[in-house]
Amino acid sequence: EAGVAQSPRYKIIEKRQSVAFWCNPISGHATLYWYQQILGQGPKLLIQFQNNGVVDDSQLPKDRFSAERLKGVDSTLKIQPAKLEDSAVYLCASSWAGRAQETQYFGPGTRLLVL
Amino acid sequence: RKEVEQDPGPFNVPEGATVAFNCTYSNSASQSFFWYRQDCRKEPKLLMSVYSSGNEDGRFTAQLNRASQYISLLIRDSKLSDSATYLCVVNSGSGGSYIPTFGRGTSLIVHP
Repeated sequence: EAGVAQSPRYKIIEKRQSVAFWCNPISGHATLYWYQQILGQGPKLLIQFQNNGVVDDSQLPKDRFSAERLKGVDSTLKIQPAKLEDSAVYLCASSWAGRAQETQYFGPGTRLLVL
Repeated sequence: RKEVEQDPGPFNVPEGATVAFNCTYSNSASQSFFWYRQDCRKEPKLLMSVYSSGNEDGRFTAQLNRASQYISLLIRDSKLSDSATYLCVVNSGSGGSYIPTFGRGTSLIVHP
Protein backbone atom coordinates (compact mmCIF):
# COMPACT_ATOMS: atom_id res chain seq x y z
CA GLU A 1 0.00 0.00 0.00
CA ALA A 2 1.41 3.38 -0.99
CA GLY A 3 2.06 5.79 1.86
CA VAL A 4 1.37 9.50 2.16
CA ALA A 5 3.12 11.39 -0.63
CA GLN A 6 4.38 14.95 -0.30
CA SER A 7 6.18 17.30 -2.63
CA PRO A 8 8.50 19.04 -2.86
CA ARG A 9 10.81 17.48 -0.29
CA TYR A 10 12.87 20.65 0.10
CA LYS A 11 12.24 24.29 -0.67
CA ILE A 12 14.34 27.40 -0.16
CA ILE A 13 12.72 30.78 -0.70
CA GLU A 14 13.27 34.36 0.31
CA LYS A 15 11.00 36.13 2.75
CA ARG A 16 7.90 37.66 1.24
CA GLN A 17 7.83 35.05 -1.52
CA SER A 18 5.04 32.51 -1.79
CA VAL A 19 5.29 28.73 -1.63
CA ALA A 20 2.93 25.79 -2.01
CA PHE A 21 3.12 22.23 -0.74
CA TRP A 22 1.22 19.23 -2.02
CA CYS A 23 0.02 16.12 -0.22
CA ASN A 24 -1.63 12.95 -1.45
CA PRO A 25 -2.97 10.83 1.42
CA ILE A 26 -3.27 7.07 1.60
CA SER A 27 -6.03 5.91 -0.73
CA GLY A 28 -9.39 5.85 1.02
CA HIS A 29 -8.35 7.96 3.98
CA ALA A 30 -10.98 10.58 4.69
CA THR A 31 -9.02 12.63 7.23
CA LEU A 32 -6.02 14.72 6.26
CA TYR A 33 -3.82 16.78 8.56
CA TRP A 34 -1.21 19.46 7.94
CA TYR A 35 1.37 20.06 10.67
CA GLN A 36 4.20 22.51 11.13
CA GLN A 37 7.21 21.17 13.00
CA ILE A 38 9.85 23.67 14.04
CA LEU A 39 13.24 22.26 15.01
CA GLY A 40 13.20 20.93 18.55
CA GLN A 41 9.42 21.04 18.87
CA GLY A 42 6.57 18.63 18.34
CA PRO A 43 4.29 18.85 15.31
CA LYS A 44 1.71 21.64 15.57
CA LEU A 45 -1.61 20.99 13.86
CA LEU A 46 -2.35 23.70 11.30
CA ILE A 47 -5.50 22.31 9.70
CA GLN A 48 -7.51 19.10 9.71
CA PHE A 49 -9.83 18.07 6.88
CA GLN A 50 -12.57 15.47 6.89
CA ASN A 51 -13.11 14.74 3.20
CA ASN A 52 -13.25 18.27 1.75
CA GLY A 53 -14.53 19.97 4.90
CA VAL A 54 -12.45 21.67 7.58
CA VAL A 55 -12.61 20.09 11.04
CA ASP A 56 -10.17 22.44 12.74
CA ASP A 57 -8.00 25.33 11.57
CA SER A 58 -7.69 27.20 14.86
CA GLN A 59 -3.90 27.31 14.68
CA LEU A 60 -3.61 28.23 11.01
CA PRO A 61 -2.26 31.81 10.57
CA LYS A 62 -4.98 32.73 8.13
CA ASP A 63 -3.45 36.06 7.15
CA ARG A 64 -0.71 34.19 5.29
CA PHE A 65 -1.53 30.48 5.24
CA SER A 66 -4.26 28.79 3.24
CA ALA A 67 -5.13 25.18 2.54
CA GLU A 68 -7.60 23.36 0.39
CA ARG A 69 -8.76 19.85 -0.33
CA LEU A 70 -11.25 20.52 -3.07
CA LYS A 71 -12.08 16.96 -4.14
CA GLY A 72 -11.55 15.36 -0.77
CA VAL A 73 -8.39 13.57 -1.86
CA ASP A 74 -5.14 15.48 -2.27
CA SER A 75 -4.45 18.81 -0.62
CA THR A 76 -2.30 21.91 -0.99
CA LEU A 77 -0.97 24.22 1.69
CA LYS A 78 0.15 27.70 0.67
CA ILE A 79 2.11 30.40 2.42
CA GLN A 80 1.94 33.93 1.05
CA PRO A 81 3.98 35.91 1.94
CA ALA A 82 6.52 33.80 3.80
CA LYS A 83 8.31 35.01 6.91
CA LEU A 84 11.59 33.88 8.41
CA GLU A 85 9.75 32.14 11.25
CA ASP A 86 7.95 29.89 8.75
CA SER A 87 11.15 27.89 8.34
CA ALA A 88 10.10 24.42 9.45
CA VAL A 89 9.15 20.96 8.27
CA TYR A 90 5.59 20.76 6.98
CA LEU A 91 4.15 17.32 7.59
CA CYS A 92 1.05 15.89 6.03
CA ALA A 93 -0.72 12.94 7.65
CA SER A 94 -3.85 10.96 6.97
CA SER A 95 -6.10 8.56 8.82
CA TRP A 96 -9.05 6.39 7.84
CA ALA A 97 -11.89 8.44 9.32
CA GLY A 98 -10.47 10.62 12.07
CA ARG A 99 -11.90 8.55 14.92
CA ALA A 100 -10.41 8.67 18.38
CA GLN A 101 -8.34 5.47 18.25
CA GLU A 102 -7.06 5.71 14.68
CA THR A 103 -3.43 5.81 13.68
CA GLN A 104 -2.12 8.77 11.73
CA TYR A 105 0.23 7.97 8.86
CA PHE A 106 2.73 10.67 8.02
CA GLY A 107 4.38 11.64 4.79
CA PRO A 108 8.12 12.40 4.64
CA GLY A 109 7.52 16.14 5.02
CA THR A 110 8.64 19.23 3.15
CA ARG A 111 11.60 21.11 4.63
CA LEU A 112 11.15 24.83 4.10
CA LEU A 113 13.91 27.35 4.62
CA VAL A 114 13.00 31.02 4.39
CA LEU A 115 15.95 33.36 3.91
CA ARG B 1 -0.11 26.15 30.29
CA LYS B 2 0.62 23.92 27.29
CA GLU B 3 -2.00 21.30 26.53
CA VAL B 4 0.47 18.42 26.34
CA GLU B 5 3.76 18.62 28.21
CA GLN B 6 6.82 16.42 28.00
CA ASP B 7 10.33 16.67 29.44
CA PRO B 8 12.46 17.26 26.33
CA GLY B 9 15.47 15.44 27.82
CA PRO B 10 17.75 14.20 26.44
CA PHE B 11 17.68 10.99 28.42
CA ASN B 12 21.12 9.46 28.01
CA VAL B 13 21.15 5.79 29.06
CA PRO B 14 23.40 2.74 28.54
CA GLU B 15 22.29 -0.28 26.59
CA GLY B 16 20.18 -2.59 28.69
CA ALA B 17 18.85 0.15 30.94
CA THR B 18 15.21 0.75 31.75
CA VAL B 19 13.94 4.23 31.05
CA ALA B 20 10.57 5.88 31.60
CA PHE B 21 8.97 8.97 30.11
CA ASN B 22 5.93 10.84 31.33
CA CYS B 23 3.55 13.13 29.51
CA THR B 24 0.89 15.32 31.14
CA TYR B 25 -2.21 16.71 29.47
CA SER B 26 -4.53 19.50 30.51
CA ASN B 27 -7.83 18.58 28.84
CA SER B 28 -9.68 16.23 31.18
CA ALA B 29 -12.08 15.32 28.37
CA SER B 30 -9.31 13.89 26.19
CA GLN B 31 -10.39 10.68 24.52
CA SER B 32 -7.38 8.77 23.30
CA PHE B 33 -3.65 8.67 23.78
CA PHE B 34 -0.64 7.52 21.79
CA TRP B 35 3.11 7.37 21.71
CA TYR B 36 4.79 8.07 18.39
CA ARG B 37 8.45 7.64 17.61
CA GLN B 38 10.37 10.08 15.43
CA ASP B 39 13.85 9.32 14.18
CA CYS B 40 16.18 12.16 13.26
CA ARG B 41 15.01 13.91 10.09
CA LYS B 42 12.20 11.39 9.61
CA GLU B 43 8.45 11.51 10.00
CA PRO B 44 6.67 10.37 13.19
CA LYS B 45 5.44 6.76 13.29
CA LEU B 46 3.04 5.15 15.71
CA LEU B 47 4.78 3.26 18.49
CA MET B 48 1.72 2.28 20.46
CA SER B 49 -1.70 3.36 21.58
CA VAL B 50 -2.29 3.82 25.31
CA TYR B 51 -5.30 2.13 26.88
CA SER B 52 -6.86 2.71 30.27
CA SER B 53 -5.88 -0.76 31.44
CA GLY B 54 -2.29 -0.27 30.33
CA ASN B 55 -0.72 -2.19 27.49
CA GLU B 56 2.54 -3.85 26.65
CA ASP B 57 4.29 -4.53 23.36
CA GLY B 58 7.51 -6.43 23.84
CA ARG B 59 9.92 -4.21 25.75
CA PHE B 60 7.52 -1.26 25.73
CA THR B 61 4.80 -0.63 28.30
CA ALA B 62 2.35 2.27 28.21
CA GLN B 63 0.15 3.40 31.07
CA LEU B 64 -2.66 5.94 31.38
CA ASN B 65 -3.61 7.69 34.61
CA ARG B 66 -6.80 9.66 33.93
CA ALA B 67 -7.11 10.92 37.51
CA SER B 68 -3.71 12.60 37.37
CA GLN B 69 -3.90 13.28 33.64
CA TYR B 70 -0.68 11.71 32.54
CA ILE B 71 0.54 8.88 30.37
CA SER B 72 3.81 7.06 30.62
CA LEU B 73 6.08 4.96 28.46
CA LEU B 74 8.49 2.42 29.92
CA ILE B 75 11.26 0.93 27.80
CA ARG B 76 13.04 -2.10 29.21
CA ASP B 77 16.38 -3.49 28.07
CA SER B 78 17.15 -0.42 25.92
CA LYS B 79 18.76 -1.00 22.53
CA LEU B 80 20.93 1.36 20.50
CA SER B 81 18.12 1.38 17.95
CA ASP B 82 15.72 2.86 20.52
CA SER B 83 17.54 6.20 20.19
CA ALA B 84 14.89 8.59 18.89
CA THR B 85 12.42 11.24 19.97
CA TYR B 86 9.25 9.95 21.61
CA LEU B 87 6.16 12.07 21.02
CA CYS B 88 3.09 11.96 23.22
CA VAL B 89 -0.20 12.54 21.38
CA VAL B 90 -3.58 13.29 22.91
CA ASN B 91 -6.85 13.29 20.96
CA SER B 92 -9.70 15.47 22.13
CA GLY B 93 -13.15 16.01 20.73
CA SER B 94 -16.51 14.39 20.22
CA GLY B 95 -19.10 13.51 17.64
CA GLY B 96 -16.64 11.73 15.43
CA SER B 97 -14.18 14.63 15.08
CA TYR B 98 -11.04 14.30 17.14
CA ILE B 99 -8.26 16.85 17.21
CA PRO B 100 -4.74 15.58 17.92
CA THR B 101 -2.27 17.53 20.03
CA PHE B 102 1.39 16.56 20.12
CA GLY B 103 3.84 17.16 22.92
CA ARG B 104 7.27 18.54 22.07
CA GLY B 105 8.84 15.10 22.39
CA THR B 106 11.39 13.47 24.67
CA SER B 107 14.79 12.69 23.22
CA LEU B 108 16.35 9.33 24.11
CA ILE B 109 19.99 8.49 23.46
CA VAL B 110 21.08 4.92 24.15
CA HIS B 111 24.84 4.50 24.23
CA PRO B 112 27.03 1.35 24.21
